[in-house]
Amino acid sequence: GQNIDQPTEMTATEGAIVQINCTYQTSGFNGLFWYQQHAGEAPTFLSYNVLDGLEEKGRFFSFLSRSKGYSYLLLKELQMKDSASYLCAVDSNYQLIWGAGTKLIIKP
Amino acid sequence: NAGVTQTPKFRILKIGQSMTLQCTQDMNHNYMYWYRQDPGMGLKLIYYSVGAGITDKGEVPNGYNVSRSTTEDFPLRLELAAPSQTSVYFCASSFRDPGNTIYFGEGSWLTVV
Repeated sequence: GQNIDQPTEMTATEGAIVQINCTYQTSGFNGLFWYQQHAGEAPTFLSYNVLDGLEEKGRFFSFLSRSKGYSYLLLKELQMKDSASYLCAVDSNYQLIWGAGTKLIIKP
Repeated sequence: NAGVTQTPKFRILKIGQSMTLQCTQDMNHNYMYWYRQDPGMGLKLIYYSVGAGITDKGEVPNGYNVSRSTTEDFPLRLELAAPSQTSVYFCASSFRDPGNTIYFGEGSWLTVV
């Protein structure tokens, strides 16, 4: 079967750094996405990794290791507006397989 | 840019009623999708379409039907609504190639009572 695992919930402090992990087992791999979803809203695109390594987008960094079936999303200088769910999704044979999401709670 | 537009945003249905969720996109995307998201859960694919006239089942198609007569429109039909269909529904679209971003509509909150 195809499976994506990520922690259900994480808590971090405003101004700090947090790392959200995602492990996957899929039949194919054409890349891995991270999406952000605020409560009551639609998911919005954050990052895409297809090769091993680190991608940077401002305060957000996404890392991929294909051999380990592992990715993480690193958020620096946390702001209250970063409180949201973060969804990991793998493009497996041109179908997206979604993780259940990690709810990130930011405390002042 | 309108992007992906879905209606209605909120709806309450009685058990056994039917309804259609409308979805249209103006980005000329060939791929369109319908997902449902239950509280605290990930997105589950209901149906998808790779182009006008072509549709296929996703993970959870039972109780739903779709059609794709044009590139822009991809309505989702619920027949004989059941409480298990209470959920948030997202329509989405993208281009075909890997790595292309999926764009989502704002969601439709459906309650079946």
